[in-house]
Amino acid sequence: AQSVTQLDSHVSVSEGTPVLLRCNYSSSYSPSLFWYVQHPNKGLQLLLKYTSAATLVKGINGFEAEFKKSETSFHLTKPSAHMSDAAEYFCVVSDGSSNTGKLIFGQGTTLQVKP
Amino acid sequence: DVKVTQSSRYLVKRTGEKVFLECVQDMDHENMFWYRQDPGLGLRLIYFSYDVKMKEKGDIPEGYSVSREKKERFSLILESASTNQTSMYLCASCPGTLSYILPTYEQYFGPGTRLTVT
Repeated sequence: AQSVTQLDSHVSVSEGTPVLLRCNYSSSYSPSLFWYVQHPNKGLQLLLKYTSAATLVKGINGFEAEFKKSETSFHLTKPSAHMSDAAEYFCVVSDGSSNTGKLIFGQGTTLQVKP
Repeated sequence: DVKVTQSSRYLVKRTGEKVFLECVQDMDHENMFWYRQDPGLGLRLIYFSYDVKMKEKGDIPEGYSVSREKKERFSLILESASTNQTSMYLCASCPGTLSYILPTYEQYFGPGTRLTVT
């Protein structure tokens, strides 16, 4: 069965410093992996997705993630945090065991950006 | 742009009331989903639908039902609201045929309805 673990429930960085949000997954199939972001009082927005093409995936707003099969990880990074990056981030794996389109969400990581 | 709208942003209901949450998408997507979001638990799938009048249980369907009479509209129904159903409810849609949704397809989310049951 697929599962996702976000290793930090809360991450705090200073503006201008790098961001690292960690995600490990478990999947018996070739996974499709996503990062979604949720700003306060907003719906979820797709940041980026991995679909078995390039292992380094670039997303919106300067974020990127690297798929590492040997480590079963899909960590999200950004070189320089901006105040507008403060939000909740979800690592998500698609249930490849069926054709349902079912998504399995991690518990979420709240990113705080300090001035 | 894909747009998914939900009928209410905030809703307060009393225990035992019947509650309807409405979701509408404008991209002619076949597939629609209802999730609830709770702190520390991420999003959990309640029900989803592949097509009009079709529905499938997700991971936590107990206490909920759904209705899909039109392709663009997917309703979540709480038959008798209870305090443990106080949560944020999110609707989503994605493309895909009746028989197959590619795992790579992105889901598009509405802004959510924060339901409080007192």
